[in-house]
Amino acid sequence: EAGVTQFPSHSVIEKGQTVTLRCDPISGHDNLYWYRRVMGKEIKFLLHFVKESKQDESGMPNNRFLAERTGGTYSTLKVQPAELEDSGVYFCASSQDGQAPNTEAFFGQGTRLTVV
Amino acid sequence: QQPVQSPQAVILREGEDAVINCSSSKALYSVHWYRQKHGEAPIFLMILLKGGEQKGHDKISASFNEKKQQSSLYLTASQLSYSGTYFCGTEDRDNAGNMLTFGGGTRLMVKP
Repeated sequence: EAGVTQFPSHSVIEKGQTVTLRCDPISGHDNLYWYRRVMGKEIKFLLHFVKESKQDESGMPNNRFLAERTGGTYSTLKVQPAELEDSGVYFCASSQDGQAPNTEAFFGQGTRLTVV
Repeated sequence: QQPVQSPQAVILREGEDAVINCSSSKALYSVHWYRQKHGEAPIFLMILLKGGEQKGHDKISASFNEKKQQSSLYLTASQLSYSGTYFCGTEDRDNAGNMLTFGGGTRLMVKP
């Protein structure tokens, strides 16, 4: 069974450009999470989808970030326009049950975003 | 609120033991432990749910204290493959079933 996959693995863009990150969760997982790790700091929550609905987007830094999960399958995270402080590793995770806590979350390998 | 992990980094020789701590200022719902190797996805190690719980497999185990404010991860007779960054992720009662709040990570390096 395929794990959580993220594309691209690494992206280098100039300040002011747009970048779209994609996450394919494990098939059948209702929960999809986006996290970000800025170099030297902790992994921080960005938002949580349950199927196609945004359950919690309290961690989104600002309105330059837009996440979608059309059809409740894969998700995209768009940064427009990108700023230098957006650099970091963006992780996606998925888990199975929409209502049960304590469910193991499976992480993707992350997308390393570098804004120059 | 972000849990506090300690130490920030540790270097071991193969066969030595290590303890990584994760502390919260308030009682938690659960603690999740992950290990991440550079450039790879964080890998789930275990979840602790109950105060006083101890859980483990192989030479990696963890505990959750009675007050559910502190968890420790124990690595015994460390192997080279244990190297990586260890994160604790916590759920509190307000966000149980929602997202994890991660500690700053502990970098572990095991040398031959």
